[in-house]
Amino acid sequence: DSGVTQTPKHLITATGQRVTLRCSPRSGDLSVYWYQQSLDQGLQFLIQYYNGEERAKGNILERFSAQQFPDLHSELNLSSLELGDSALYFCASSVAPTSAHYNEQFFGPGTRLTVL
Amino acid sequence: GESVGLHLPTLSVQEGDNSIINCAYSNSASDYFIWYKQESGKGPQFIIDIRSNMDKRQGQRVTVLLNKTVKHLSLQIAATQPGDSAVYFCAENMRAAGNKLTFGGGTRVLVKP
Repeated sequence: DSGVTQTPKHLITATGQRVTLRCSPRSGDLSVYWYQQSLDQGLQFLIQYYNGEERAKGNILERFSAQQFPDLHSELNLSSLELGDSALYFCASSVAPTSAHYNEQFFGPGTRLTVL
Repeated sequence: GESVGLHLPTLSVQEGDNSIINCAYSNSASDYFIWYKQESGKGPQFIIDIRSNMDKRQGQRVTVLLNKTVKHLSLQIAATQPGDSAVYFCAENMRAAGNKLTFGGGTRVLVKP
């Protein structure tokens, strides 16, 4: 158990809908990362937050957004869902994001999103 | 469990043998590398890491080798066990670009009893 929790574990929805995925980082970790894992694209970095602020952006679609709350949990919002958004979505956390540190990232168990 | 990738390269290993998993990374400026293990239905699990100022690092039953000249990373697992069956990913990070990880495509390891 990495200490990172994600809910829900599974989510089935229809095209055009909007969903929210939730992540709680490990106790003491200030940085949260979101990754998408699909069969054809592998593990892709989406976005990073540190202590409530966005720190880095990767291959995240405009239909997707995220935020990190004062209690450090994070939510990934996916809207106008398409069939191709079906994937595993992982959250990871680390202590700090600064370039002075080599930050081991701990991954949660993921949320499997199926868009029908 | 869910399949991580249907078309991953697969390494079949006899239980008790050593495994070697290879990874070519893309960015010569990357300075931190990690190997993750992902079992079916679970998130990636940290195995071992190495910084770019090293060429070898050993853990418990695992060794990571880094060859910066050819941008190659390998993971050696000694005395492979059935519990080692999983998909293994290498990831690279360039600290100056933040902490986002760039993952390789993964290798599936199947341990035969």
